[in-house]
Amino acid sequence: AQSVTQPDIHITVSEGASLELRCNYSYGATPYLFWYVQSPGQGLQLLLKYFSGDTLVQGIKGFEAEFKRSQSSFNLRKPSVHWSDAAEYFCAVGAGGNKLVFGAGTILRVKS
Amino acid sequence: ETGVTQTPRHLVMGMTNKKSLKCEQHLGHNAMYWYKQSAKKPLELMFVYNFKEQTENNSVPSRFSPECPNSSHLFLHLHTLQPEDSALYLCASSPSPKLNNSPLHFGNGTRLTVT
Repeated sequence: AQSVTQPDIHITVSEGASLELRCNYSYGATPYLFWYVQSPGQGLQLLLKYFSGDTLVQGIKGFEAEFKRSQSSFNLRKPSVHWSDAAEYFCAVGAGGNKLVFGAGTILRVKS
Repeated sequence: ETGVTQTPRHLVMGMTNKKSLKCEQHLGHNAMYWYKQSAKKPLELMFVYNFKEQTENNSVPSRFSPECPNSSHLFLHLHTLQPEDSALYLCASSPSPKLNNSPLHFGNGTRLTVT
């Protein structure tokens, strides 16, 4: 069965510092991979997605993610974090058809 | 404005009440979804509708009853709920049933508390 692991429940970074959020997936075929962000009291907003092609994908708000098949990973990165990036981040894998399997999320705190 | 509107934003109901959650999407999408988000748990897919037809019921208890009268509207009817059903219920839509070319667009959710 498909699964997504986000090993870090909470991460705290200083404003202006770089960020990497980890995501590992389990899926037998070529996955469709997504990162979503959820601010308090809001729904989930798509940051970026990977379907095929270039393994480094660019998203909104200055985020990027790299698909590494050999490591079954799809880590999210940002070179310089802003206070407004504080939110919860979810990695998800497309499990065939229109099913998405989500990770448990990583809460990002930004300290000034 | 996300293009997917959910009402109400907050709902408190007793275990014997009957209530409904509403979702409306203004994006022209053909697939709609209900997800449940509980504290400290991954999002759980509940139901999927494609072109108004239910294509997925993820072993959801019968006290949750979805309704999709057209591609723009989705309801979740609730009755005799349990306190453990308290959660954020998220509606989503996508242009087509295939996620390879149509990611999900989420509403802001309904925060449900069952007392």
